[in-house]
Amino acid sequence: DTAVSQTPKYLVTQMGNDKSIKCEQNLGHDTMYWYKQDSKKFLKIMFSYNNKELIINETVPNRFSPKSPDKAHLNLHINSLELGDSAVYFCASSQANTEAFFGQGTRLTVV
Amino acid sequence: SQQGEEDPQALSIQEGENATMNCSYKTSINNLQWYRQNSGRGLVHLILIRSNEREKHSGRLRVTLDTSKKSSSLLITASRAADTASYFCATDDSSASKIIFGSGTRLSIRP
Repeated sequence: DTAVSQTPKYLVTQMGNDKSIKCEQNLGHDTMYWYKQDSKKFLKIMFSYNNKELIINETVPNRFSPKSPDKAHLNLHINSLELGDSAVYFCASSQANTEAFFGQGTRLTVV
Repeated sequence: SQQGEEDPQALSIQEGENATMNCSYKTSINNLQWYRQNSGRGLVHLILIRSNEREKHSGRLRVTLDTSKKSSSLLITASRAADTASYFCATDDSSASKIIFGSGTRLSIRP
């Protein structure tokens, strides 16, 4: 069984559209994250959720909103997509800042 | 800003040689982790070293931590072609639930 799964793996969409990326973890971890990896391979934290409460909201545009229906899920909603949003988005989970398990990533391309 | 900075950004060595990568960070930490990322894939956890540890081994991996210098190193001995990947250090922000990644080192092993 996949520990952290995110869908879709690839997402191509036009500017201005709204899209969502789903993430689920079956590890029982209490913290989930969203990271953005740009073309230069820098991995930047976007959000951190602990027990369904937003702990960190980094300085990302408010067009990005994390939504956690339960402890095992952290979805990422993006409104009014822009060209600069093109990147690979990774979901991850961990137990109290120890080993993080990553999903396989979602490659978002905005055209 | 990135918590960790890695050095070098890219490293190319001959198969069988040892590879050393360095990481520097800025704030107090509880632990430091190293991850590996194969092209187009998610990150995979390699090893975690706690702030009260100075050295840790796992197979062909050796990690050191110097909290006075806020730096860590990852040594891969007897490199193999399959070690070709990007390697990231990551530190926990003890004041918040988040794991911050360095900029990564791209390691290439020449056959």
